[in-house]
Amino acid sequence: AQSVTQLDSQVPVFEEAPVELRCNYSSSVSVYLFWYVQYPNQGLQLLLKYLSGSTLVKSINGFEAEFNKSQTSFHLRKPSVHISDTAEYFCAVRGSDTGRRALTFGSGTRLQVQP
Amino acid sequence: DGGITQSPKYLFRKEGQNVTLSCEQNLNHDAMYWYRQDPGQGLRLIYYSQIVNDFQKGDIAEGYSVSREKKESFPLTVTSAQKNPTAFYLCASRVPGARNTGELFFGEGSRLTVL
Repeated sequence: AQSVTQLDSQVPVFEEAPVELRCNYSSSVSVYLFWYVQYPNQGLQLLLKYLSGSTLVKSINGFEAEFNKSQTSFHLRKPSVHISDTAEYFCAVRGSDTGRRALTFGSGTRLQVQP
Repeated sequence: DGGITQSPKYLFRKEGQNVTLSCEQNLNHDAMYWYRQDPGQGLRLIYYSQIVNDFQKGDIAEGYSVSREKKESFPLTVTSAQKNPTAFYLCASRVPGARNTGELFFGEGSRLTVL
């Protein structure tokens, strides 16, 4: 079964500093990878996704993630964070070689941006 | 605007009572999902349905039941058999064309507290 590991449960960072949220997944023939963001007491919103092609994917609000097949990673980065980026971030995966048609989520990383 | 409506947003129940969480979508999406969210554990799959009148158990189906009588509706019943039902429940539907990738669109969630 697919699994996703988000090693950091909380990441405190100062405003305008860079940040990296780590995500590793269990190996599969090929995978589809996602980052979702959740603001307090709300549902999840898709931030960005890797399906195929370029290994570097970007969101409209300055986040980017790089698919690294050899390291089975899909880390999320932002060069300069804003207070409004404070939220919980979830990495998710679906392996193409499984019959299970559902995403598997990591345990989440809470990003806390301080002024 | 199209979306997923979950109700109620907050629900309190006494031990031993069954409770049903509503999930309605007007997106015309075929597949629908229920996830449970607990602090530090991420999202865990309860049930999912690929098509009307069909559904499959996820990883933590014990103590829960679902029905899919209409395409737009996928209610979740939390029964008295669920040992620790206090959690945030998220309903989602699969984005069209994402049968292989699994990309999901989420509702705003329902928070259930057992007193």
